[in-house]
Amino acid sequence: GESVGLHLPTLSVQEGDNSIINCAYSNSASDYFIWYKQESGKGPQFIIDIRSNMDKRQGQRVTVLLNKTVKHLSLQIAATQPGDSAVYFCAENARGGGADGLTFGKGTHLIIQP
Amino acid sequence: GAVVSQHPSRVICKSGTSVKIECRSLDFQATTMFWYRQFPKQSLMLMATSNEGSKATYEQGVEKDKFLINHASLTLSTLTVTSAHPEDSSFYICSAGQARQETQYFGPGTRLLVL
Repeated sequence: GESVGLHLPTLSVQEGDNSIINCAYSNSASDYFIWYKQESGKGPQFIIDIRSNMDKRQGQRVTVLLNKTVKHLSLQIAATQPGDSAVYFCAENARGGGADGLTFGKGTHLIIQP
Repeated sequence: GAVVSQHPSRVICKSGTSVKIECRSLDFQATTMFWYRQFPKQSLMLMATSNEGSKATYEQGVEKDKFLINHASLTLSTLTVTSAHPEDSSFYICSAGQARQETQYFGPGTRLLVL
């Protein structure tokens, strides 16, 4: 069936470097995408979102890029810090409006090395 | 703003007993809340959509008679795992969204261990 997936299960980067986490989705009807950060034993924390009518959105130290042509989503984290170590999930809402649950990708474990 | 709480944070129960988990939106009203389940080192899987004042909508493969959902008010949804078994041991997470906004905010999760 249709799903949201990730290319890399684990990503290790040096503190201070930039990191890029990728996500592929297969539902062409998806119109809203979100990145969440989940620390061990905690619930997902909203990072940034993007609608399908946009291809880039920036937040504080984070940027989300959306390429609808190849159905690809990425999260860029600038100047990584130890506190960025967590599992990152992309999620999709295919029908929008906030009335539907999200479909999550498999997750990428980001490890920040000192 | 947009804080979601869950209670309890963790629970251990014997096989065959029922466990109730509460999800509350603390500073906003949520007509819709969602329940997810997450097994170790896996992603979140949507179980059901909880609608205030009406029956919950369950995802395929989720037993509605086993996972009872009640959305009694605009700030409270409960998930009851009935006749729990060890395979129900998991991390249960709820989420809620504000009216006319797509962003969902997640609770801290409830760790259930069934012995």
